[in-house]
Amino acid sequence: QVQLVESGGGVVQPGRSLRLSCAASGFTFSDYAMHWVRQAPGKGLEWVAVISNDGSNKYYADSVKGRFTISRDNSKNTLYLQMNSLRAEDTAVYYCATLIRDWGQGTLVTVSS
Amino acid sequence: QTVVTQEPSFSVSPGGTVTLTCGLSSGSVSTSYYPSWYQQTPGQAPRTLIYYTNTRSSGVPDRFSGSILGNKAALTITGAQADDEADYYCVLYMGSGPWVFGGGTKLTVL
Repeated sequence: QVQLVESGGGVVQPGRSLRLSCAASGFTFSDYAMHWVRQAPGKGLEWVAVISNDGSNKYYADSVKGRFTISRDNSKNTLYLQMNSLRAEDTAVYYCATLIRDWGQGTLVTVSS
Repeated sequence: QTVVTQEPSFSVSPGGTVTLTCGLSSGSVSTSYYPSWYQQTPGQAPRTLIYYTNTRSSGVPDRFSGSILGNKAALTITGAQADDEADYYCVLYMGSGPWVFGGGTKLTVL
């Protein structure tokens, strides 16, 4: 069955970096644009970034532009989110998703000193 | 900065019908915004219900339907059940790449 499994979350100090991964299985990964969506504790969903199915196009929310980079490796069926210069307000559960079908279970990123 | 608007809360009686809406702080929602809808229960990941205005995601019962009503996107739930109690989010494609979620609607079934 379809699975999206995020990993790489954890506790990190402000200003540091973290890379999230999302391993996909059960569907043709290279057919789908992929998104990262986050949810701060007790808050709503916030769209973060999208990458086209072939990786040629990438777009970001203003809140992360210039700090986060989305990428993918279709040979490994894996989506990534490189997060640099992390801030306290980046603390959230990060989900990978196709948005038209499947969502992962999320990985928690906590930015704190 | 365009804001995507949703009702903060709504209630429906069991067996009843409810329509949640998704609008813009400035302008009208059309199919060009590819409105999509998600359901989230506490502690769970979101679940896709409807994408691109009115296409039900796999496994979603036909009690859930999407449409454009006036100048907003709409999610209609017919025959509401207790386990429909959840937060509902819409997302809109803003053109040139970015997507924006609404603030969510907390639906109570009572």
